[in-house]
Amino acid sequence: KAGVTQTPRYLIKTRGQQVTLSCSPISGHRSVSWYQQTPGQGLQFLFEYFSETQRNKGNFPGRFSGRQFSNSRSEMNVSTLELGDSALYLCASSWGLAELTDTQYFGPGTRLTVL
Amino acid sequence: AQSVTQLGSHVSVSEGALVLLRCNYSSSVPPYLFWYVQYPNQGLQLLLKYTSAATLVKGINGFEAEFKKSETSFHLTKPSAHMSDAAEYFCALNGDGGFKTIFGAGTRLFVKA
Repeated sequence: KAGVTQTPRYLIKTRGQQVTLSCSPISGHRSVSWYQQTPGQGLQFLFEYFSETQRNKGNFPGRFSGRQFSNSRSEMNVSTLELGDSALYLCASSWGLAELTDTQYFGPGTRLTVL
Repeated sequence: AQSVTQLGSHVSVSEGALVLLRCNYSSSVPPYLFWYVQYPNQGLQLLLKYTSAATLVKGINGFEAEFKKSETSFHLTKPSAHMSDAAEYFCALNGDGGFKTIFGAGTRLFVKA
């Protein structure tokens, strides 16, 4: 069974630009979550989508947005990039049916560098 | 509020020695706990998970963890470290405020030859 895939793996942008990251979940998984990982803040939850609806959102500014398509693939977008947005962005997928017992499986991440 | 605390941001052991990575949690509901491993420039790989079926949980690569409710702990152990175990390890639990996982700050494991 194929794992979670993320594209692109590496990305370099300049301040003020916008970026779109893509995530394809494990086949059958309907929940997709996004996390930002930085050396200073660790792993921080961005948002979670299930059946094309955002169910939960972390404490990030509105420049960070996402969406999910009918095939469960998800994209996240960051507008007006800032230097502090440089991070590893991780996508995780799960069945999404039971809140406390859900197990997330992670993709390899997209390394975003903002210059 | 739920939280996960990992004691020690860095742990160094010799090859063949016992690995012990510490994790304590705080949760108002019965916790479902996880250990993930992250190798350089990679995503997180699930090592093992506690789902209340048994307090001693065995995972991949020879790792295991024991859930102790009285101590609110879920420490990760491996009897004999290999060089390939050098990585960062994250303890985590599922939040009760929606579908999200709460992570500890991580412990980087160094294995000396």
